[in-house]
Order: sequence, then C-alpha cells, then structure tokens
Amino acid sequence: DTAVSQTPKYLVTQMGNDKSIKCEQNLGHDTMYWYKQDSKKFLKIMFSYNNKELIINETVPNRFSPKSPDKAHLNLHINSLELGDSAVYFCASSRLVEEQFFGPGTRLTVL
Amino acid sequence: DQQVKQNSPSLSVQEGRISILNCDYTNSMFDYFLWYKKYPAEGPTFLISISSIKDKNEDGRFTVFLNKSAKHLSLHIVPSQPGDSAVYFCAASMDSNYQLIWGAGTKLIIKP
Repeated sequence: DTAVSQTPKYLVTQMGNDKSIKCEQNLGHDTMYWYKQDSKKFLKIMFSYNNKELIINETVPNRFSPKSPDKAHLNLHINSLELGDSAVYFCASSRLVEEQFFGPGTRLTVL
Repeated sequence: DQQVKQNSPSLSVQEGRISILNCDYTNSMFDYFLWYKKYPAEGPTFLISISSIKDKNEDGRFTVFLNKSAKHLSLHIVPSQPGDSAVYFCAASMDSNYQLIWGAGTKLIIKP
C-alpha cells in the first residue's frame, strides 16, 4: 500500500500551459513538502505545509501555487509553464521534519 | 551558499568491501543529520540518522559517524552489496526549523 503517491508520474506539456501535480499520503503525517530536483540533481525545498498551513515558501515564482485541501493532500499547481520548469518534482510527508517519506516523483518536461 | 556539501559526485567500490560516503556542513546550528538513499525513478528513502549529541549510530551494515569539530559526517557501509548501488544524499536540520538542507548526492556504484 503506497505511503506517498503522486500523479502523474510523467507530464509532458507545452510552454504557457497550466498543469497540476497531485500528492496524497496515507501515513497520517501532519507535514507535507514539495521539492524540485533540478538538472544538477539538487533537491530544493519549494513549499512545506503543516496541518494545512503554509510554513515554508522558498523563493519560488508566483506561478507555483500549492493547495492543501486536507492534511493528506498537497497539490502543486503551475501556471504559464516555462522551459526552466522542467525537472523532477517530489512530494514528501513527515511526522517530524527529519524523517521524510517521499513519493516516486513526477518528471515534468516543458516543450 | 551550500550549507551541506557532498564533494564526491560518485564513488565506485568492490562488492564486499567498505563504502565510505562523506558529507561536510558549514552551519554549526545543525543538530540532526540524515542519510537518504535514492534509486533511479524513485523518491529518496530514509536510511539512517544521527543526533548532534552522538558521534556514532549503527544500524546493521550502516554506520554514521559525526565529527562536530570538523563539521563532518560519514556513512560507512560494510560489507557493500550490489543492491547498495544508488545515490546517497546527506541532509541536516536544526531545531525549530521545518526544513531539511540537502547535499547534492553521491552516486555509489558497487562493482561485482
């Protein structure tokens, strides 16, 4: 039974489009995260939500907007996609900040 | 400014030998350190951690050593197995902060 799931796994789209990536965790964790892994393989935190409240919002363009309808879900919506948005996006959740459980990743390709 | 550094992008080790992965950090406020393992096309998975009040933590074949004065930690894998081939990320956190600071990762290749 998948602990942290993301959909879709692959996303190919044109520049300028709007897309969403969904994340769900069934671990009962209070905190969820979105990370971006860029071409250099760095994992960079984008957002973190604790009990549906935004607690981390790193320097991310306004085109990226997280939505947390409940504690088990943290979706990422991206407006006006750009070439530089191409990356692998990981969702994670944790009870404590230290041990985070990651989803399988969503590979976004913007053409 | 990278607060957590893994200076070796890759490491190749013979099966059965010891693998040593290194990590350096610059922020003395970090009080908890973790190692994650990542296979291709999967998310990172937690491997082992260590609190700053300890200098060693062992879990089976995996041991993490922390040298606070040198701001250095290392992950030892003994004996190395083919299934250990993966990218290993070092990460650090500090109390009252909700985020992990990640290193760039080291790709470990175990040769048969």
